[in-house]
Amino acid sequence: GAGVSQSPSNKVTEKGKDVELRCDPISGHTALYWYRQRLGQGLEFLIYFQGNSAPDKSGLPSDRFSAERTGESVSTLTIQRTQQEDSAVYLCASSLAEAGGPETQYFGPGTRLLVL
Amino acid sequence: KNQVEQSPQSLIILEGKNCTLQCNYTVSPFSNLRWYKQDTGRGPVSLTIMTFSENTKSNGRYTATLDADTKQSSLHITASQLSDSASYICVVGDNYGQNFVFGPGTRLSVLP
Repeated sequence: GAGVSQSPSNKVTEKGKDVELRCDPISGHTALYWYRQRLGQGLEFLIYFQGNSAPDKSGLPSDRFSAERTGESVSTLTIQRTQQEDSAVYLCASSLAEAGGPETQYFGPGTRLLVL
Repeated sequence: KNQVEQSPQSLIILEGKNCTLQCNYTVSPFSNLRWYKQDTGRGPVSLTIMTFSENTKSNGRYTATLDADTKQSSLHITASQLSDSASYICVVGDNYGQNFVFGPGTRLSVLP
């Protein structure tokens, strides 16, 4: 079956512009994560959605970052007034999030964002 | 095609036992290999990072090994604890540090 997909695969924008990144999780996966990975750095957790529960936004670096997800479907990550330090690969992952146990995550290919 | 495979997909062990998780990769050229631990609903936490010249690295009860010739890595957990229950993700970076390939992870459950 289809894996996690993300769009666009690459995005170049000018400083100060808003960008919207999209993630299509695997069908039936209730949990969805957004991560950021700057050049040469490790994964940086941004936000976690689980079903209809309130998302865990503890990783969002500033109020310029926001994310939405409707039910168990598509999620969008929006970055307002982009800055050059926002340049990174933005990764999305989804999982079944079975109750009571750890979960295997399936990562999308990422969106490479470059802010000029 | 650059790929990272992990085995087993899931593992259940009793508290106090040891276990070893495997990671095989075809990423080339190779730059570094990282193991992450991720608890349910949390962001991943880096356990170890190894470059081409390193073949073992420890972090407490976690010991990672790397064989760059066979393109294999393992993560050994000693004297497991209930808090070790998590997903363990292997991530391989290419030589330019711009691309990271993620394995699917191994789900570890430690039972009392």
